[in-house]
Amino acid sequence: KAGVTQTPRYLIKTRGQQVTLSCSPISGHRSVSWYQQTPGQGLQFLFEYFSETQRNKGNFPGRFSGRQFSNSRSEMNVSTLELGDSALYLCASSLSGGTSLSEQYFGPGTRLTVT
Amino acid sequence: AQKITQTQPGMFVQEKEAVTLDCTYDTSDQSYGLFWYKQPSSGEMIFLIYQGSYDEQNATEGRYSLNFQKARKSANLVISASQLGDSAMYFCAMRETEYGNKLVFGAGTILRVKS
Repeated sequence: KAGVTQTPRYLIKTRGQQVTLSCSPISGHRSVSWYQQTPGQGLQFLFEYFSETQRNKGNFPGRFSGRQFSNSRSEMNVSTLELGDSALYLCASSLSGGTSLSEQYFGPGTRLTVT
Repeated sequence: AQKITQTQPGMFVQEKEAVTLDCTYDTSDQSYGLFWYKQPSSGEMIFLIYQGSYDEQNATEGRYSLNFQKARKSANLVISASQLGDSAMYFCAMRETEYGNKLVFGAGTILRVKS
Protein backbone atom coordinates (compact mmCIF):
# COMPACT_ATOMS: atom_id res chain seq x y z
CA LYS A 1 0.00 0.00 0.00
CA ALA A 2 1.45 3.37 -0.96
CA GLY A 3 2.19 5.82 1.82
CA VAL A 4 1.33 9.47 2.12
CA THR A 5 2.76 11.52 -0.71
CA GLN A 6 3.45 15.23 -0.73
CA THR A 7 4.38 17.45 -3.62
CA PRO A 8 6.54 19.29 -4.20
CA ARG A 9 9.26 18.16 -1.83
CA TYR A 10 11.16 21.44 -1.98
CA LEU A 11 10.03 24.92 -2.85
CA ILE A 12 11.64 28.34 -2.89
CA LYS A 13 9.38 31.38 -3.03
CA THR A 14 9.72 35.12 -2.63
CA ARG A 15 8.00 37.22 0.01
CA GLY A 16 4.54 38.27 -1.07
CA GLN A 17 4.01 35.32 -3.36
CA GLN A 18 1.55 32.53 -2.71
CA VAL A 19 2.13 28.80 -2.66
CA THR A 20 0.04 25.62 -2.92
CA LEU A 21 1.15 22.34 -1.40
CA SER A 22 -0.44 19.01 -2.16
CA CYS A 23 -0.98 15.89 -0.09
CA SER A 24 -2.32 12.51 -1.17
CA PRO A 25 -3.31 10.32 1.78
CA ILE A 26 -3.04 6.58 2.06
CA SER A 27 -5.69 4.86 -0.01
CA GLY A 28 -8.90 4.60 1.98
CA HIS A 29 -7.93 7.27 4.49
CA ARG A 30 -10.41 10.10 4.69
CA SER A 31 -8.73 12.42 7.14
CA VAL A 32 -5.84 14.70 6.25
CA SER A 33 -4.14 16.97 8.76
CA TRP A 34 -1.47 19.59 8.10
CA TYR A 35 1.37 20.63 10.39
CA GLN A 36 4.06 23.28 10.26
CA GLN A 37 7.47 22.50 11.70
CA THR A 38 9.99 25.23 12.47
CA PRO A 39 13.07 25.23 14.70
CA GLY A 40 11.59 27.93 16.90
CA GLN A 41 7.97 26.81 17.27
CA GLY A 42 8.32 23.08 16.77
CA LEU A 43 5.43 21.14 15.30
CA GLN A 44 2.17 23.03 15.14
CA PHE A 45 -1.20 21.89 13.91
CA LEU A 46 -2.64 23.87 11.01
CA PHE A 47 -5.93 22.18 10.16
CA GLU A 48 -7.66 18.89 9.55
CA TYR A 49 -9.98 17.89 6.76
CA PHE A 50 -12.35 14.96 6.78
CA SER A 51 -14.72 14.13 3.96
CA GLU A 52 -14.04 17.50 2.33
CA THR A 53 -14.91 19.43 5.50
CA GLN A 54 -12.55 21.29 7.76
CA ARG A 55 -12.95 19.72 11.20
CA ASN A 56 -10.32 21.47 13.25
CA LYS A 57 -8.20 24.54 12.82
CA GLY A 58 -5.04 25.63 14.58
CA ASN A 59 -4.02 29.10 15.57
CA PHE A 60 -2.72 30.40 12.25
CA PRO A 61 -3.64 33.55 10.32
CA GLY A 62 -6.16 33.47 7.51
CA ARG A 63 -3.33 33.48 4.97
CA PHE A 64 -3.19 29.75 5.59
CA SER A 65 -6.04 27.86 4.01
CA GLY A 66 -6.76 24.41 2.77
CA ARG A 67 -9.24 22.19 1.07
CA GLN A 68 -9.93 18.54 0.47
CA PHE A 69 -11.21 16.93 -2.67
CA SER A 70 -13.65 14.06 -3.09
CA ASN A 71 -10.75 11.62 -3.55
CA SER A 72 -9.40 12.76 -0.13
CA ARG A 73 -6.40 14.54 -1.64
CA SER A 74 -5.78 17.81 0.12
CA GLU A 75 -4.13 21.08 -0.77
CA MET A 76 -2.80 23.77 1.48
CA ASN A 77 -2.40 27.35 0.32
CA VAL A 78 -0.38 30.13 1.86
CA SER A 79 -0.91 33.60 0.47
CA THR A 80 1.27 36.69 0.84
CA LEU A 81 4.26 34.67 2.01
CA GLU A 82 6.39 35.98 4.85
CA LEU A 83 9.93 34.99 5.79
CA GLY A 84 8.55 33.31 8.90
CA ASP A 85 6.56 30.89 6.75
CA SER A 86 9.79 29.09 5.90
CA ALA A 87 9.24 25.66 7.38
CA LEU A 88 8.73 21.97 6.79
CA TYR A 89 5.06 21.35 6.08
CA LEU A 90 3.90 17.88 6.94
CA CYS A 91 0.63 16.24 6.18
CA ALA A 92 -0.76 13.22 7.96
CA SER A 93 -3.50 10.85 6.95
CA SER A 94 -5.78 8.81 9.12
CA LEU A 95 -8.50 6.33 8.46
CA SER A 96 -11.12 8.02 10.57
CA GLY A 97 -12.00 11.54 11.54
CA GLY A 98 -14.40 10.91 14.36
CA THR A 99 -13.92 9.67 17.86
CA SER A 100 -11.91 6.60 16.95
CA LEU A 101 -8.34 7.16 18.00
CA SER A 102 -6.71 5.68 14.94
CA GLU A 103 -3.11 6.03 13.99
CA GLN A 104 -1.84 8.82 11.81
CA TYR A 105 0.80 8.43 9.13
CA PHE A 106 2.89 11.30 7.86
CA GLY A 107 4.19 12.14 4.46
CA PRO A 108 7.81 13.13 3.73
CA GLY A 109 6.98 16.83 3.96
CA THR A 110 7.43 19.87 1.76
CA ARG A 111 10.30 22.13 2.70
CA LEU A 112 9.34 25.70 1.91
CA THR A 113 11.93 28.45 1.86
CA VAL A 114 10.77 32.06 1.59
CA THR A 115 13.41 34.59 0.52
CA ALA B 1 -5.28 22.63 27.89
CA GLN B 2 -3.40 19.98 26.02
CA LYS B 3 0.29 19.92 26.70
CA ILE B 4 3.17 17.55 26.10
CA THR B 5 6.48 17.91 27.90
CA GLN B 6 9.69 16.23 26.87
CA THR B 7 12.36 17.27 29.35
CA GLN B 8 15.37 15.71 27.63
CA PRO B 9 16.61 17.87 24.75
CA GLY B 10 19.28 15.29 23.92
CA MET B 11 20.29 11.80 24.91
CA PHE B 12 23.24 9.53 24.22
CA VAL B 13 23.09 5.75 24.39
CA GLN B 14 25.61 3.06 23.66
CA GLU B 15 24.78 0.69 20.85
CA LYS B 16 22.90 -2.41 22.04
CA GLU B 17 21.83 -0.77 25.30
CA ALA B 18 18.30 0.24 26.23
CA VAL B 19 17.21 3.87 26.51
CA THR B 20 14.15 5.59 27.95
CA LEU B 21 12.82 8.83 26.50
CA ASP B 22 10.56 10.77 28.85
CA CYS B 23 7.17 12.23 28.08
CA THR B 24 4.57 13.74 30.38
CA TYR B 25 1.23 15.09 29.30
CA ASP B 26 -1.57 17.21 30.59
CA THR B 27 -5.20 16.78 29.65
CA SER B 28 -8.60 16.99 31.25
CA ASP B 29 -10.09 14.58 28.73
CA GLN B 30 -10.73 10.98 29.75
CA SER B 31 -10.35 9.66 26.23
CA TYR B 32 -7.06 10.36 24.52
CA GLY B 33 -4.25 8.71 22.65
CA LEU B 34 -0.50 8.98 23.02
CA PHE B 35 1.90 8.55 20.14
CA TRP B 36 5.61 8.39 19.57
CA TYR B 37 7.16 9.39 16.27
CA LYS B 38 10.72 9.20 15.00
CA GLN B 39 12.05 11.89 12.70
CA PRO B 40 15.38 11.16 11.00
CA SER B 41 17.37 13.94 9.38
CA SER B 42 15.40 13.38 6.17
CA GLY B 43 12.39 14.97 7.88
CA GLU B 44 9.81 12.25 7.49
CA MET B 45 7.79 11.46 10.63
CA ILE B 46 7.75 7.73 11.25
CA PHE B 47 5.01 6.33 13.48
CA LEU B 48 6.44 4.11 16.20
CA ILE B 49 3.85 3.25 18.80
CA TYR B 50 0.41 4.18 20.12
CA GLN B 51 -1.23 3.92 23.53
CA GLY B 52 -4.90 4.59 24.18
CA SER B 53 -5.97 6.04 27.50
CA TYR B 54 -8.21 3.04 28.18
CA ASP B 55 -5.60 0.44 27.27
CA GLU B 56 -4.61 -1.48 30.36
CA GLN B 57 -1.53 -3.09 28.87
CA ASN B 58 1.53 -1.12 27.86
CA ALA B 59 1.90 -0.98 24.09
CA THR B 60 4.81 -2.78 22.45
CA GLU B 61 6.02 -2.78 18.87
CA GLY B 62 9.18 -4.76 18.29
CA ARG B 63 12.03 -3.01 20.10
CA TYR B 64 9.74 -0.17 21.17
CA SER B 65 7.58 -0.21 24.25
CA LEU B 66 5.58 2.51 25.90
CA ASN B 67 5.69 2.74 29.66
CA PHE B 68 2.25 4.19 30.36
CA GLN B 69 1.61 5.49 33.87
CA LYS B 70 -1.80 7.10 33.76
CA ALA B 71 -1.86 8.44 37.30
CA ARG B 72 1.46 10.19 36.73
CA LYS B 73 0.41 11.26 33.24
CA SER B 74 3.57 9.89 31.74
CA ALA B 75 4.14 7.92 28.55
CA ASN B 76 7.82 7.12 28.28
CA LEU B 77 9.27 5.39 25.23
CA VAL B 78 11.68 2.55 25.85
CA ILE B 79 13.95 1.45 23.01
CA SER B 80 15.67 -1.83 23.68
CA ALA B 81 18.93 -2.94 22.06
CA SER B 82 19.67 0.45 20.46
CA GLN B 83 21.00 0.48 16.92
CA LEU B 84 22.95 3.16 15.07
CA GLY B 85 19.89 3.71 12.88
CA ASP B 86 17.92 4.78 15.92
CA SER B 87 19.76 8.10 15.94
CA ALA B 88 17.04 10.65 15.24
CA MET B 89 14.66 13.11 16.81
CA TYR B 90 11.83 11.53 18.79
CA PHE B 91 8.50 13.22 19.38
CA CYS B 92 5.79 12.39 21.86
CA ALA B 93 2.31 13.51 20.82
CA MET B 94 -1.21 13.42 22.18
CA ARG B 95 -4.62 13.46 20.65
CA GLU B 96 -7.85 14.09 22.52
CA THR B 97 -11.09 12.60 21.23
CA GLU B 98 -12.95 15.89 21.08
CA TYR B 99 -10.32 17.43 18.79
CA GLY B 100 -10.52 14.81 16.07
CA ASN B 101 -7.11 13.98 14.68
CA LYS B 102 -5.32 17.06 15.95
CA LEU B 103 -1.98 16.09 17.46
CA VAL B 104 -0.17 18.17 20.04
CA PHE B 105 3.57 17.51 20.00
CA GLY B 106 6.31 17.86 22.54
CA ALA B 107 9.54 19.67 21.74
CA GLY B 108 11.30 16.42 20.95
CA THR B 109 14.40 14.56 22.14
CA ILE B 110 17.45 14.07 19.95
CA LEU B 111 18.84 10.58 20.44
CA ARG B 112 22.39 9.74 19.44
CA VAL B 113 23.49 6.10 19.45
CA LYS B 114 27.22 5.62 19.92
CA SER B 115 29.16 2.64 18.53
